Amino acid sequence: GAGVSQSPSNKVTEKGKDVELRCDPISGHTALYWYRQSLGQGLEFLIYFQGNSAPDKSGLPSDRFSAERTGGSVSTLTIQRTQQEDSAVYLCASSQDILAGYGYTFGSGTRLTVV
Amino acid sequence: AQKVTQAQTEISVVEKEDVTLDCVYETRDTTYYLFWYKQPPSGELVFLIRRNSFDEQNEISGRYSWNFQKSTSSFNFTITASQVVDSAVYFCALINNAGNMLTFGGGTRLMVKP
Repeated sequence: GAGVSQSPSNKVTEKGKDVELRCDPISGHTALYWYRQSLGQGLEFLIYFQGNSAPDKSGLPSDRFSAERTGGSVSTLTIQRTQQEDSAVYLCASSQDILAGYGYTFGSGTRLTVV
Repeated sequence: AQKVTQAQTEISVVEKEDVTLDCVYETRDTTYYLFWYKQPPSGELVFLIRRNSFDEQNEISGRYSWNFQKSTSSFNFTITASQVVDSAVYFCALINNAGNMLTFGGGTRLMVKP
């Protein structure tokens, strides 16, 4: 598609349930990123995928968080046993080639609310 | 390690005023890229500008201008004759040439009142 697509746009879940957030990057973009933005806060890096390389998971806050990217395209961020502190907007971005200093193109985000 | 600091968490101006958003960065690398993004109330981050570390020439785009000074490690953003539609959170970000992710500042919330 023309932009980065994320679904769902909003998700309300009960504490303890698992959730899956989806990101469909721009076609041809090799790099894909997940960031988290808590209410009124900046962007917190979660995970990064580049081509077929092993992902950089250094930003994942706990082992309840995981992500995969299938076929070098669509990515799914999974949060297991959700907690209230997981409530945030989860932003996905893709980039043509980050090493060349291209900026990211962001999706509109998934607003996750854990009740 | 990289760090981006936006000391102004919130700025409020009246329409038509000029406003400057500050950004100070830290990096040990000589080659890096600086960015500004705008996040309107709709939530999507919009790319505004990219500048590499070897290009200190200031840039102007309509009412927007950017002042990059390596001597002070700053990349400030000025909006001239602000408008209500400029109300948003603005993020400054940095990546080095070998890096694989953008490091964002905490953002500055700009409120332009009519």
